[in-house]
This record gives sequence, C-alpha cells and structure tokens, in this order.
Amino acid sequence: DIVMTQTPLSSPVTLGQPASISCRSSQSLVHSDGNTYLSWLQQRPGQPPRLLIYKISNRFSGVPDRFSGSGAGTDFTLKISRVEAEDVGVYYCMQATQFVTFGQGTKVEIK
Amino acid sequence: EVQVVESGGGLVQPGGSLRLSCAASGFTFSSHWMSWVRQAPGKGLEWVASIKQDGSEKDYVDSVKGRFTISRDNAKNSLYLQMNSLRAEDTAVYYCAENSGSSVDWGQGTLVTVSS
Repeated sequence: DIVMTQTPLSSPVTLGQPASISCRSSQSLVHSDGNTYLSWLQQRPGQPPRLLIYKISNRFSGVPDRFSGSGAGTDFTLKISRVEAEDVGVYYCMQATQFVTFGQGTKVEIK
Repeated sequence: EVQVVESGGGLVQPGGSLRLSCAASGFTFSSHWMSWVRQAPGKGLEWVASIKQDGSEKDYVDSVKGRFTISRDNAKNSLYLQMNSLRAEDTAVYYCAENSGSSVDWGQGTLVTVSS
C-alpha cells in the first residue's frame, strides 16, 4: 500500500502571508498511463472536502489562483501564495495511482 | 450540473446492513475509477473501496473486506456500497469520489451511524 506523509500537521499563518504543505509518498505515483494521480483537497470546518488541485498541478474549476501545486515522483507541494481567512481548514493530499490513500491532513489556522 | 449525490445513510444497529448509492451527473461516469471514502467524527479521510471503470477490478481497506461490496451501474451513472455486519467503528460520513480528481467535486456525503 502507498503511504502518504504530510508535513507539517499544523500551520499557523499570518493573513496575507504564504503557506506551504508538503506531501511525500512511499513510492512513485507515476501511473502506467503516464499520469500522476496526486490531488489536494481542502476541508473547511463543518464542510465536505473540496477539490483544489488534481494531477499534481491542475486547479479544479473555480479554485482561486493563489493555490498552486507542484512536484513529481514521490514529493509534492501545495502552496497558498497569500493566505485569506476563508482558507482556514484541513488540507489533504490524496493519491489515486494505486487505489486511494490520503495524507494525515494539515490544519491551516490564522495566527 | 456536474455533481455526485450520495444517499442511503441512516441509523442502523450493530450487525445490520445498509446500501449506499451515489448518483453521478454531468461527466462521463463510465470512464473513471470511482471510490468510497469515509470520515469518522473528528477524524481524517479514510479510503474504503475502489472500482474500475467496467467493474472488473475492486479493492477494499482491510477493515471492511468480506463485509462491504462496491459495485456500479454505468447505464444508470450510479455507484453503490453494500455494507453488511456493520460495527460501531463504521460510523462515519461516506463520500463517493472520482479517483483522478479531474471531473467532479466531492458531494455532501451521507451519514451512517451504527448504534444500538
């Protein structure tokens, strides 16, 4: 099974400042079809998860451009260029190259 | 509208059964791996089961193997999860998800509560 490890698990951020979350997989996420099925999800308090990024770096429909994803192979990063109050919540990385697994979640809160 | 809508949750006694459904619309359902994911109260996301486009491949998290069955009906754009021998630890909100993340956002989920 592919294990996903996120760091940090908690990220206090000042409004308007950047934030970054790392996700590392226990094996390469490159699928035999050439795609890398690494997504990022946001879960605001009391809400269902929401798709932010799919296949490493593609923003889902309606996602603000302050969110960006990068990486390759086993190392991936989600960046928020300037954190806004509505960005508070828990962020998960998710791999779907070999069935599905999730990172533990990173809680983003305002300092 | 591009969406998935989960239904079928509820309160069930330990040892009981439930069948969850997920109605997909607005995207080519038959082209995608689909999964069920759950979230217990106050916990993170846990993958439960996945099914290939044509239903020929399925897999489950160890804790539900032999108790849960994932299936799909591409003609009806629907995904299902048959849950038998339910336990208290199966209490969670259950979500259906398109694996690649490219087609549809997550739905609101359906709450399953296993309690006497």
